[in-house]
Amino acid sequence: GAVVSQHPSWVICKSGTSVKIECRSLDFQATTMFWYRQFPKQSLMLMATSNEGSKATYEQGVEKDKFLINHASLTLSTLTVTSAHPEDSSFYICSVMDGGPYRNQPQHFGDGTRLSIL
Amino acid sequence: AQSVTQLDSHVSVSEGTPVLLRCNYSSSYSPSLFWYVQHPNKGLQLLLKYTSAATLVKGINGFEAEFKKSETSFHLTKPSAHMSDAAEYFCVVSDPSNTGKLIFGQGTTLQVKP
Repeated sequence: GAVVSQHPSWVICKSGTSVKIECRSLDFQATTMFWYRQFPKQSLMLMATSNEGSKATYEQGVEKDKFLINHASLTLSTLTVTSAHPEDSSFYICSVMDGGPYRNQPQHFGDGTRLSIL
Repeated sequence: AQSVTQLDSHVSVSEGTPVLLRCNYSSSYSPSLFWYVQHPNKGLQLLLKYTSAATLVKGINGFEAEFKKSETSFHLTKPSAHMSDAAEYFCVVSDPSNTGKLIFGQGTTLQVKP
C-alpha cells in the first residue's frame, strides 16, 4: 500500500497564528487525499476531501476559510489552520486513497499531527 | 444509510489468550469492510480488508476477520494476544457514494495484561 508522510508530527504555537500541515504520498500518485480530525479517545471525523488540481470538498460543519486545503500536485496536500485558537487543538490525520477507479479500496494514513494552540 | 457499530468500547485480555473485537455493520449493498489499528499518537494501520472475495480474511500480525452477511457482522479475532497488540481498533465500512469516503466505528480499546 501507499506510504504516507505527514509533517510536522507535533506543533505548539500561539493563538492567532496559522499552521500548515503537509501530507505527502511517497510512492503513489494520489489524486485524492483525505483530512481527518480526531479528539481524544474518539473516532476520526472526516473534515474534507482533497482533490488534485481542484477545490477541496468540505464536510458539513467544517469551516473552509478556517481550514484551507491545497492539493497542487499528485504527491502533496496541505492543510492550513488559519488564525488558530485553543479550540483548534487536536490530532489531525491525512490519508491517501489506494487505487484509481476502485473506490472501495482502503486508505493509507499518515502518522498524524498533534496541534496544540496556547 | 451505512453505519458501523463496535459493540465494545473496551476489551481486556491476558497475554496469550484469544482476542475478539466485535463489529456489526448496516449496509444496503455489498460493502467493503476494513479493520484498522491505531497506536498512541500514531496514524491508522490497515490490518485487513474484505471486498467480496473470501469471507474469512487474514490480515497482518495474526489477525483475521470473518464476514457474515446473515449476521451483518465482521468480527476481528486473534488466537493469542501479544502485549504489542494493545491499541485502539477501528472497524470501517466504505461509503457507497463512490467518493472513497470511509465510515468509522467508534473504536475499541484493547488492553493486554501480562
